[in-house]
Amino acid sequence: EAQVTQNPRYLITVTGKKLTVTCSQNMNHEYMSWYRQDPGLGLRQIYYSMNVEVTDKGDVPEGYKVSRKEKRNFPLILESPSPNQTSLYFCASSGPTSGGYNEQFFGPGTRLTVL
Amino acid sequence: DAKTTQPTSMDCAEGRAANLPCNHSTISGNEYVYWYRQIHSQGPQYIIHGLKNNETNEMASLIITEDRKSSTLILPHATLRDTAVYYCIVLNAGGTSYGKLTFGQGTILTVHP
Repeated sequence: EAQVTQNPRYLITVTGKKLTVTCSQNMNHEYMSWYRQDPGLGLRQIYYSMNVEVTDKGDVPEGYKVSRKEKRNFPLILESPSPNQTSLYFCASSGPTSGGYNEQFFGPGTRLTVL
Repeated sequence: DAKTTQPTSMDCAEGRAANLPCNHSTISGNEYVYWYRQIHSQGPQYIIHGLKNNETNEMASLIITEDRKSSTLILPHATLRDTAVYYCIVLNAGGTSYGKLTFGQGTILTVHP
């Protein structure tokens, strides 16, 4: 089944404790992206990657890092999480086989709470 | 990318057509209209997109006015599972906004039994 998976789905952590949220897709998509969703602010793009070893900042990249060493994986790294990073995070992927980069498949989401 | 305006909420009876409007009066010639929906905190789901011709797929139909300043997403036979927030997004298929989906507040569609 074609899908985007994220782990963990739920995470409660404390300020400053480094964490990684994994994202993996099995559709051989070139494009992958991370979004965060906050009440009243909609979804905002954090980082995106057009292909392996190619990443770029979205609208709200501060406090986050990403890497794209393999086509299928696009982990989101919070080196020193802070309470303002408490949010619902979504990973998405797309490519020519999905009909275009704007037709994105989204993962189920990771609900992160930073205390 | 052009700004979109959608009603905050709409209701629809199960089995009836749901018609969700979107205004995008500043849309430019190379911008497409995309529709996504999000069912209660799940990941958004792509529905359909179009440039200027009407489009139909297994999920919905998209009607774009001739001047392209507005569009309507039609769910022909709404079911309870169609209750969701529906987002209308306008963006280039290329350029610097390629792949960068900007979700506004959307329309909360509630389908009633």
